[in-house]
Amino acid sequence: SAVISQKPSRDICQRGTSLTIQCQVDSQVTMMFWYRQQPGQSLTLIATANQGSEATYESGFVIDKFPISRPNLTFSTLTVSNMSPEDSSIYLCSVGGQTSSYNEQFFGPGTRLTVL
Amino acid sequence: QKEVEQDPGPLSVPEGAIVSLNCTYSNSAFQYFMWYRQYSRKGPELLMYTYSSGNKEDGRFTAQVDKSSKYISLFIRDSQPSDSATYLCATLNDYKLSFGAGTTVTVRA
Repeated sequence: SAVISQKPSRDICQRGTSLTIQCQVDSQVTMMFWYRQQPGQSLTLIATANQGSEATYESGFVIDKFPISRPNLTFSTLTVSNMSPEDSSIYLCSVGGQTSSYNEQFFGPGTRLTVL
Repeated sequence: QKEVEQDPGPLSVPEGAIVSLNCTYSNSAFQYFMWYRQYSRKGPELLMYTYSSGNKEDGRFTAQVDKSSKYISLFIRDSQPSDSATYLCATLNDYKLSFGAGTTVTVRA
């Protein structure tokens, strides 16, 4: 499986500011995804990061709030904009499509965000 | 209705016991069913996945899918303290994972 790193691992931010989270993979991957894991809740897909085109967002998530970049096949960023305490969560990137089986998705360690 | 519902737990079992984890799903079109393990402050780790109905075994872990009842199970035999973690079931549809809320398991030495 791929080695996936995320930066920062954690951060505490003030309301109204923005934070950009980076996801780096040690090999080229076709698909990259961003998830949110709120306390006591299941992981929820935010968007699919498409290389060379705009991200595809899930219902309830919009580009103005969560802009995503995917400049190449090993890197993506997620920005959480104009943050409020409700954005406090763990944000995870995942990758898929490395092997012949597109069904295996692997996750990074996550970024733990606290908004005051 | 959530796409995947998972027994919430938590579960606490003695070392060596069999752990049984269960989920149900809503969409009969789902074909791939995954189990992830998540240790505290770590990302989810793919344990195993199954396609359609049936059983799949990997060491001490067995995954079962019953599509007629839309039921997913994971069994851990001879549980060890190192199995203490949160277990997440998920379905895969068009590359998108839908997760249950997770069941936290503690195996007591």
